[in-house]
Amino acid sequence: GAGVSQSPRYKVAKRGQDVALRCDPISGHVSLFWYQQALGQGPEFLTYFQNEAQLDKSGLPSDRFFAERPEGSVSTLKIQRTQQEDSAVYLCACRAGGGTDTQYFGPGTRLTVL
Amino acid sequence: SQKIEQNSEALNIQEGKTATLTCNYTNYSPAYLQWYRQDPGRGPVFLLLIRENEKEKRKERLKVTFDTTLKQSLFHITASQPADSATYLCALDRVAGNMLTFGGGTRLMVKP
Repeated sequence: GAGVSQSPRYKVAKRGQDVALRCDPISGHVSLFWYQQALGQGPEFLTYFQNEAQLDKSGLPSDRFFAERPEGSVSTLKIQRTQQEDSAVYLCACRAGGGTDTQYFGPGTRLTVL
Repeated sequence: SQKIEQNSEALNIQEGKTATLTCNYTNYSPAYLQWYRQDPGRGPVFLLLIRENEKEKRKERLKVTFDTTLKQSLFHITASQPADSATYLCALDRVAGNMLTFGGGTRLMVKP
């Protein structure tokens, strides 16, 4: 497809479980971003990749969060030992180049930690 | 610290009227500002971008203003329609070329 896809769309985890969230960006888009969106709030930046290089991870809330993009296309956000406060929608966005190009968002993965 | 504020209360207007949404920011000097639309269960969709040296930008029924002195952007939808009902997010760059910092969004409800 032409857009950004994310999987799974919904994930329920028990507290303490590890989860992996996948993002398939638009083909050829160099930049990839992960955001976390709590209910009723705007998205908050987590991390940024340019191709396979993770250039900014300042938004990751703890060392339980880890992201990778090994081949510069698909990205995975992993959360270890999930906690209830990790419950949120995780959005992936991509951008063709740098500068002020538009960011294209995926539909998000809704994570619920019980 | 940097702060971006949007009216957290929903804005209810009648179809055909102009909707005006506000985005205020502090401790910030963005190079550009973007507006996004978000529908329930979906990711944000880009609408308009305005740069710091631009006062106004238009696209069809949408108009955005950017006042760097007041540190405020206004987003207008003229001749509003029920299909315009959604949450609207403003976003500012932190470092040009990198991620966006979003406001909390304002929910717009257009009643027929």
